[in-house]
Amino acid sequence: EAGVVQSPRYKIIEKKQPVAFWCNPISGHNTLYWYLQNLGQGPELLIRYENEEAVDDSQLPKDRFSAERLKGVDSTLKIQPAELGDSAVYLCASSPGLAGVPHEQFFGPGTRLTVL
Amino acid sequence: SQQGEEDPQALSIQEGENATMNCSYKTSINNLQWYRQNSGRGLVHLILIRSNEREKHSGRLRVTLDTSKKSSSLLITASRAADTASYFCATIQGGSEKLVFGKGTKLTVNP
Repeated sequence: EAGVVQSPRYKIIEKKQPVAFWCNPISGHNTLYWYLQNLGQGPELLIRYENEEAVDDSQLPKDRFSAERLKGVDSTLKIQPAELGDSAVYLCASSPGLAGVPHEQFFGPGTRLTVL
Repeated sequence: SQQGEEDPQALSIQEGENATMNCSYKTSINNLQWYRQNSGRGLVHLILIRSNEREKHSGRLRVTLDTSKKSSSLLITASRAADTASYFCATIQGGSEKLVFGKGTKLTVNP
């Protein structure tokens, strides 16, 4: 079974440029997450989707970050414009999303963003 | 903000030795999970322990949970060089679906 797929794996851009990340979750997983991971830190949640609905975006910097999951399957995360401090690894994860059942999350390999 | 705090931040042992990592958290939880992250790779789920459980085993892994002390430990027995990675605890807080990670313990197992 294929895992969570993310692309690109690496991205280098100059500040003020836009950038987009793509994620395809495990087939059948209703819940999709985007995390940001700074060097030496644990991942921090940016946004969580239940199907196509963003149910928790409280940590998403909405002035420059946006995300979508139009058909409830794959998702894109966009930054416009990028700032130097956005350099980090952006992780996508998915889970079955069964209500009331504790479950693990399955992570993709991440996209390492470098903003120059 | 990060809920969990792993201890130690870094641990270096010899192959065959046991490795113990601790995690403390602040608020009540539904469950606690441990993840591993190898250099340059994504996180991999290791084990989940529910708030009403005290101990759980999976292969060479043993996890304990003490909700009165808001702490958990991960024991890896008979460590191997391939266990070299960062280990994170993550909690699901009561009434929430949000997984909150600690800063991790970087484990190095020397051959």
